[in-house]
Amino acid sequence: NAGVTQTPKFRVLKTGQSMTLLCAQDMNHEYMYWYRQDPGMGLRLIHYSVGEGTTAKGEVPDGYNVSRLKKQNFLLGLESAAPSQTSVYFCASSYISYSNQPQHFGDGTRLSIL
Amino acid sequence: DAKTTQPNSMESNEEEPVHLPCNHSTISGTDYIHWYRQLPSQGPEYVIHGLTSNVNNRMASLAIAEDRKSSTLILHRATLRDAAVYYCILAGSYQLTFGKGTKLSVIP
Repeated sequence: NAGVTQTPKFRVLKTGQSMTLLCAQDMNHEYMYWYRQDPGMGLRLIHYSVGEGTTAKGEVPDGYNVSRLKKQNFLLGLESAAPSQTSVYFCASSYISYSNQPQHFGDGTRLSIL
Repeated sequence: DAKTTQPNSMESNEEEPVHLPCNHSTISGTDYIHWYRQLPSQGPEYVIHGLTSNVNNRMASLAIAEDRKSSTLILHRATLRDAAVYYCILAGSYQLTFGKGTKLSVIP
């Protein structure tokens, strides 16, 4: 029972490079989310998806793109990485969107942009 | 989403109860109160949630004030593994808005 799995766990990029973070969940959840967490701060929502083939912007979407081609996977892309995107990225999923459903989180991807 | 106010840090002795407070004076009638915790170098972990009534589960208890403007997360016997940042969150839709939380230290 893996839950939410994020790959890679660590990555160092140079400014201007691109990369994709992968999130996979095995709980058959409809909703998936990408957050970022900066040092000493709470999590901020980047993008989310309410089902396969759908995506929507969260609080801090600029500089990121997402895709949800399969229900179990949610990809976060950085087209041209910037130092301001150095952060820890967390993926989460939930069964439905109602406010009384908990979100299940992965262990994060630690990304450094030089 | 409405905001919450939590102390920045708290300390507890191991095997003693811990009461973590949260103020949410602007809560709306449909907002659920969620608690998550985050251990070092891990993702947030769901602890408990409630709407109006007090709630208990295997991890903790949630006591909600009658006017719903405050709540308290209760850990009945703190262990070293409970040392984490605890987030009190009001959830009115799909989005969880995380503040800075309360950093709980457990003293052996």
